[in-house]
Amino acid sequence: AQSVSQHNHHVILSEAASLELGCNYSYGGTVNLFWYVQYPGQHLQLLLKYFSGDPLVKGIKGFEAEFIKSKFSFNLRKPSVQWSDTAEYFCAVNALNTGFQKLVFGTGTRLLVSP
Amino acid sequence: GAVVSQHPSRVICKSGTSVKIECRSLDFQATTMFWYRQFPKQSLMLMATSNEGSKATYEQGVEKDKFLINHASLTLSTLTVTSAHPEDSSFYICSAKTASGVSYEQYFGPGTRLTVT
Repeated sequence: AQSVSQHNHHVILSEAASLELGCNYSYGGTVNLFWYVQYPGQHLQLLLKYFSGDPLVKGIKGFEAEFIKSKFSFNLRKPSVQWSDTAEYFCAVNALNTGFQKLVFGTGTRLLVSP
Repeated sequence: GAVVSQHPSRVICKSGTSVKIECRSLDFQATTMFWYRQFPKQSLMLMATSNEGSKATYEQGVEKDKFLINHASLTLSTLTVTSAHPEDSSFYICSAKTASGVSYEQYFGPGTRLTVT
């Protein structure tokens, strides 16, 4: 079965620090990859996605992620975080073997940015 | 575009009663909707996939007789928690896929917090 691992459960950063959140998945076939963000009290929002093509994808709010197929990884990055980036971040994968229907989520990383 | 709503946002019910949660796609047609459950400080776990006009497909370990899913139209799916118990207290989130365009994306509703007393 597919699984998604997020290595950091809690991250605390100061404003302007750089951010990298790890995400690894277990499925060896064709996948689509997503990062979602959940701000306090709000619903999940899509930050960025990778379907095919350039493995470096840019999303909203200055976030980017790089798909490294050989490492089964899709790490999220932001060069300089802001206080408003405080939220929970979820990596998710869907795979060809489920017709790209079923999204499997990682356990999430709670980011706290101090002003 | 691609807005998904859920109603109610919060519900408290007594043990043994049933609760219905609605999920609507407001500005698009959703051939497929998904129901997730999120426990505190944990990730979303897929409960079931529902396709308009057909029976839902439940994930392993999810009781289909307890969590009744109906997807009667292209814009509405409902989840009914029957004979609710305190252990059913959770945050229930739905998502929907569009019927056209890029079909791999899911758009999420704001969630429904269920508390069973």
